[in-house]
Amino acid sequence: DGGITQSPKYLFRKEGQNVTLSCEQNLNHDAMYWYRQDPGQGLRLIYYSQIVNDFQKGDIAEGYSVSREKKESFPLTVTSAQKNPTAFYLCASSMVGRKDRSYNEQFFGPGTRLTVL
Amino acid sequence: GESVGLHLPTLSVQEGDNSIINCAYSNSASDYFIWYKQESGKGPQFIIDIRSNMDKRQGQRVTVLLNKTVKHLSLQIAATQPGDSAVYFCAEKPLDLWSEGSNYKLTFGKGTLLTVNP
Repeated sequence: DGGITQSPKYLFRKEGQNVTLSCEQNLNHDAMYWYRQDPGQGLRLIYYSQIVNDFQKGDIAEGYSVSREKKESFPLTVTSAQKNPTAFYLCASSMVGRKDRSYNEQFFGPGTRLTVL
Repeated sequence: GESVGLHLPTLSVQEGDNSIINCAYSNSASDYFIWYKQESGKGPQFIIDIRSNMDKRQGQRVTVLLNKTVKHLSLQIAATQPGDSAVYFCAEKPLDLWSEGSNYKLTFGKGTLLTVNP
């Protein structure tokens, strides 16, 4: 089955530790995204990547880092610099179309719930 | 700044009734809109989308209406079932012919929690 997988489903981190969240897709999508979701809030964009070896900061990139070495993979590292990392993290992917006609539905993974102890 | 928002944070309906979830958007340059459904502890799932050159689109039991004059989007669910209970998000994509990067970004609303009572 084609889709997006995220691991782990639950992750616990001690303060001061860096953790990496995995996101893999086999949809052959060029673009991938990381969002953060807090209770009762909408999705906020952390980072996105339109092509391998390239990525851009989203609205709340501070304290996070990403890499895009392969088309299928877009791991997110939550660093110790992130002041309030406890949240639900969602990865998504989409096709990339023409600049003026890109109706790009984003497909989401199941999410990783990160808790800082 | 520009944002996507929702009129009501919660909606409670009886099983079998029709549900209407509303969304206001402020970016008049948005050209594409999506409704997502998110069940508790899961990632959002695509429900239906609509382009700005349309004012109505129908799917299976769902209809999306777009009123560009008042910048309003709505999702109608017919014969609501208990399995429809979830948070529903609208999302918009602004048309930006000059910035390659923003072409691929969606702006999400905070969501409406739909509860279906048996």
